[in-house]
Amino acid sequence: GNSVTQMEGPVTLSEEAFLTINCTYTATGYPSLFWYVQYPGEGLQLLLKATKADDKGSNKGFEATYRKETTSFHLEKGSVQVSDSAVYFCALTPQTGANNLFFGTGTRLTVIP
Amino acid sequence: DTEVTQTPKHLVMGMTNKKSLKCEQHMGHRAMYWYKQKAKKPPELMFVYSYEKLSINESVPSRFSPECPNSSLLNLHLHALQPEDSALYLCASRDWTSGRGETQYFGPGTRLLVL
Repeated sequence: GNSVTQMEGPVTLSEEAFLTINCTYTATGYPSLFWYVQYPGEGLQLLLKATKADDKGSNKGFEATYRKETTSFHLEKGSVQVSDSAVYFCALTPQTGANNLFFGTGTRLTVIP
Repeated sequence: DTEVTQTPKHLVMGMTNKKSLKCEQHMGHRAMYWYKQKAKKPPELMFVYSYEKLSINESVPSRFSPECPNSSLLNLHLHALQPEDSALYLCASRDWTSGRGETQYFGPGTRLLVL
């Protein structure tokens, strides 16, 4: 079946620290992979995506690389800011069946000044 | 532009009330979705509309009634809800026609409280 396993939170970092949030997946074929971000009191925003192996998605200083060999899509940012405090969801859409968006459990990030 | 709008932003209703949530997108997307999100959980799929026809109903109770009056609008009619239905209701849309059209774009949500 299809599933996403995401690093448990919460994660607390100091401003300018390096961020990694681990995400691994189980799926057949070549799913599309996503990171969504949810700021407090808001809906989900697409942060970045990758649709094939070795693709790197990037946005707002965040990056994630689609690793087929390790079935991973880890989110990284070199220097976090207080404004990055949010919940981050890793998700996948199967190669067939794009109506189905499988989410990880979410990782809450708090960045302190 | 990848904007999905939802109204109202907040809604408080009693268990005997009837209310509606509204979602709108003008991106020409032909797939639209309703999700329910409880606190500290990921969104859960409720309904999928494809080309204005209901294609997926994830065993949602009949007190939730979706409607897709045209390709830009999606409504969720609420009646006789229970307090446990209190949640954030998210709408999303996806470009069905362009390539794989794999990305779902979400609205800001309606935060519903049932008293």
